Amino acid sequence: EAQVTQNPRYLITVTGKKLTVTCSQNMNHEYMSWYRQDPGLGLRQIYYSMNVEVTDKGDVPEGYKVSRKEKRNFPLILESPSPNQTSLYFCASSPAPYTEAFFGQGTRLTVV
Amino acid sequence: AQSVSQHNHHVILSEAASLELGCNYSYGGTVNLFWYVQYPGQHLQLLLKYFSGDPLVKGIKGFEAEFIKSKFSFNLRKPSVQWSDTAEYFCAVNAPSGTYKYIFGTGTRLKVLA
Repeated sequence: EAQVTQNPRYLITVTGKKLTVTCSQNMNHEYMSWYRQDPGLGLRQIYYSMNVEVTDKGDVPEGYKVSRKEKRNFPLILESPSPNQTSLYFCASSPAPYTEAFFGQGTRLTVV
Repeated sequence: AQSVSQHNHHVILSEAASLELGCNYSYGGTVNLFWYVQYPGQHLQLLLKYFSGDPLVKGIKGFEAEFIKSKFSFNLRKPSVQWSDTAEYFCAVNAPSGTYKYIFGTGTRLKVLA
């Protein structure tokens, strides 16, 4: 089954403790992206990648890192999480920019 | 800066009523336009998209949208809503075309009363 898989689905952590949210897609898509969803703000793009080793900043990259060492994986790294990064995070992938984005199920992160 | 505006934040309709959700974007170049739907507790799913050709686009579940370039708009319509259309709807713009940069609107929560 074609899918985008995020792990974990739920995470509660403390301020400053490094964490990684994994994202993996099995559709051989070149394009992948991370978003955060906050009430009243919609989805905001954090980082995106147009191919292996090619990443670029979205609108809200501060406090996040990404890497794209393999085509299928696009992990999101929070080196020193802060409470304002409490949010619902979605990973997405596409075969091309103008086509449908396939979204993962989301990761609800709480930083206390 | 690029932006996407969805003017209706909350909409409540009765079943069988017609729906129109507004979406305006600010970007002067070529864009690709999307409407996504998010049912409660679920991830986003594509309703329809426009990147070229006929400006009237038909999507799934009876939804359609019209791209009006002169107005920078991409409004979503459905002639008769159902209770199962209760969800949050997001307009999104891919710009500049050719990149994977996306701007989403803040969303419209639709509640359909049975």
